Amino acid sequence: KNQVEQSPQSLIILEGKNCTLQCNYTVSPFSNLRWYKQDTGRGPVSLTIMTFSENTKSNGRYTATLDADTKQSSLHITASQLSDSASYICVVSATGYALNFGKGTSLLVTP
Amino acid sequence: DVKVTQSSRYLVKRTGEKVFLECVQDMDHENMFWYRQDPGLGLRLIYFSYDVKMKEKGDIPEGYSVSREKKERFSLILESASTNQTSMYLCASSSTLRDPSYEQYFGPGTRLTVT
Repeated sequence: KNQVEQSPQSLIILEGKNCTLQCNYTVSPFSNLRWYKQDTGRGPVSLTIMTFSENTKSNGRYTATLDADTKQSSLHITASQLSDSASYICVVSATGYALNFGKGTSLLVTP
Repeated sequence: DVKVTQSSRYLVKRTGEKVFLECVQDMDHENMFWYRQDPGLGLRLIYFSYDVKMKEKGDIPEGYSVSREKKERFSLILESASTNQTSMYLCASSSTLRDPSYEQYFGPGTRLTVT
């Protein structure tokens, strides 16, 4: 069964600090992996997308990495800001329409 | 920019009522999706549609139906709302013709409470 596991479930960091979120998956065949940011009460917004051949992708202070051999991805947030407080969802696509969603990591950035 | 809009941000309905959730996208996308999102469970696919008048069941279709009469509009219907359908409902759209990565664009969500 295709699964996407994220860790930690929740995280609290001080403003200005860095953090790394993890995503492990068992989806096969693999097409691509996305990280979404979801603010409270809002729909998810795509941060990065990586295909099999890509092992890193940046979007401002967000950097995602992918190791397709070990089926692991990470999202690194640099110099966190209060506005980074959100849920971060890892989504892995096989072929076709279906997406496989992780349950998300809830990040709280405190002053 | 892709825009996906949902008819209501918040909705309160009574048990047994028929509920319509509307979703409209303005990017001529072929595919549209309805998800529900619950704490600790993540997003789960209810139904999707890859063309007008076409629909496919997702992972949790029980208690729901959908309608797609026009390409830009996808409706989710709760025939007889129950308290276990209290949830956040998210609509999304994508275009596999233009974007083979299947990038999905989400609406802002409808928080439905069934009392």
